[in-house]
Amino acid sequence: AQKVTQAQTEISVVEKEDVTLDCVYETRDTTYYLFWYKQPPSGELVFLIRRNSFDEQNEISGRYSWNFQKSTSSFNFTITASQVVDSAVYFCALSEFSFSNRGSTLGRLYFGRGTQLTVWP
Amino acid sequence: GAGVSQSPSNKVTEKGKDVELRCDPISGHTALYWYRQRLGQGLEFLIYFQGNSAPDKSGLPSDRFSAERTGESVSTLTIQRTQQEDSAVYLCASSLRPTAMNTEAFFGQGTRLTVV
Repeated sequence: AQKVTQAQTEISVVEKEDVTLDCVYETRDTTYYLFWYKQPPSGELVFLIRRNSFDEQNEISGRYSWNFQKSTSSFNFTITASQVVDSAVYFCALSEFSFSNRGSTLGRLYFGRGTQLTVWP
Repeated sequence: GAGVSQSPSNKVTEKGKDVELRCDPISGHTALYWYRQRLGQGLEFLIYFQGNSAPDKSGLPSDRFSAERTGESVSTLTIQRTQQEDSAVYLCASSLRPTAMNTEAFFGQGTRLTVV
């Protein structure tokens, strides 16, 4: 089963519209971390936000906001007043607090399949 | 450099040949990751290094794939006897600590591998 589900494959909006990208995750751990990354056409993933499982406060950064709800295992991302430059693939990711059998802290990021956001002028 | 650097940026190879992909992580980052991204797909985990050891190799798709890291710095991903299904963008990332310790990973621009 996928640990991170991004049900929206593609979203198209017109500039200045608000848009929400959904992310649902699955984990048995009580300690985990959630991330959002942006992948513009250039291909390089750009880190947007990190959230730990003990902090359910919503966060706002400029036009970006994130809604973390443990009750529904969701970590949704909203862009307010979207702009053409927001066009990109957005990935949600999960990192669990796990160890190898030798005690090394593991650091795998589980990514969703991504949501292609297109903002039209 | 300031970011994660990968080389080459593009590689075209003939089926059956071996290829080596290089990753220079951010200086001081102990954790290093390799991911693969096929066209239109999400990121597929390959291997994770902590220092020079690889506690998690579970994502390597076959024994044709191997990776090493030396000096807690540069890492090389080697694909032997390449197949067409190996065509993808191979992304490297590094982080100060494992991402399970509340730190983000920074990604390189990737190596686009095309097997013809």
